Amino acid sequence: DARVTQTPRHKVTEMGQEVTMRCQPILGHNTVFWYRQTMMQGLELLAYFRNRAPLDDSGMPKDRFSAEMPDATLATLKIQPSEPRDSAVYFCASGPTGLSYGYTFGSGTRLTVV
Amino acid sequence: AQTVTQSQPEMSVQEAETVTLSCTYDTSENNYYLFWYKQPPSRQMILVIRQEAYKQQNATENRFSVNFQKAAKSFSLKISDSQLGDTAMYFCAFMQGNTGNQFYFGTGTSLTVIP
Repeated sequence: DARVTQTPRHKVTEMGQEVTMRCQPILGHNTVFWYRQTMMQGLELLAYFRNRAPLDDSGMPKDRFSAEMPDATLATLKIQPSEPRDSAVYFCASGPTGLSYGYTFGSGTRLTVV
Repeated sequence: AQTVTQSQPEMSVQEAETVTLSCTYDTSENNYYLFWYKQPPSRQMILVIRQEAYKQQNATENRFSVNFQKAAKSFSLKISDSQLGDTAMYFCAFMQGNTGNQFYFGTGTSLTVIP
């Protein structure tokens, strides 16, 4: 089965450090999403891309978060500097054109900022 | 923005029994899609079932079926013959059809299947 690969699976870092999370979407999927999941807020959309171009990043704190797709096989989410409130599970999801079939999610990166 | 409401934070069901999870949504759109995702303790988000708004027939996938009431904006998930592996968080999601945009997720229902 094709899958969305996220690395790392877990990350513990100190406040103020830079964190980079990576996502390899399914080959052929041209739409990529970043979601954040917390107990308090549930699943929040941070940003998404279509054909590598950012379409919406309004859910992302611009002062510290950045999302990019350097190429079709890699999406990155960076936090600099990280803060304890950024502790969450970050999911990447991808889908093909014709998104009515739903998206495939990666296993997520659990980030803990201490 | 669209809103999705799951009013049951937690539910439990005996193994082999049937359980129904509720979901309502609010939209002015006519073309959209609805989904149920399952998130077991492994935290992997797994697509369970999908429904196209323009189809009147309720979707079915093995033991999972939906009751889609478009006028009432209701989209409930029925799990028949519940199994221990069904224990998970279940999220209802809405997606507008024309633009193929983001999912709007509900807050989830935690389902526990009791042996």
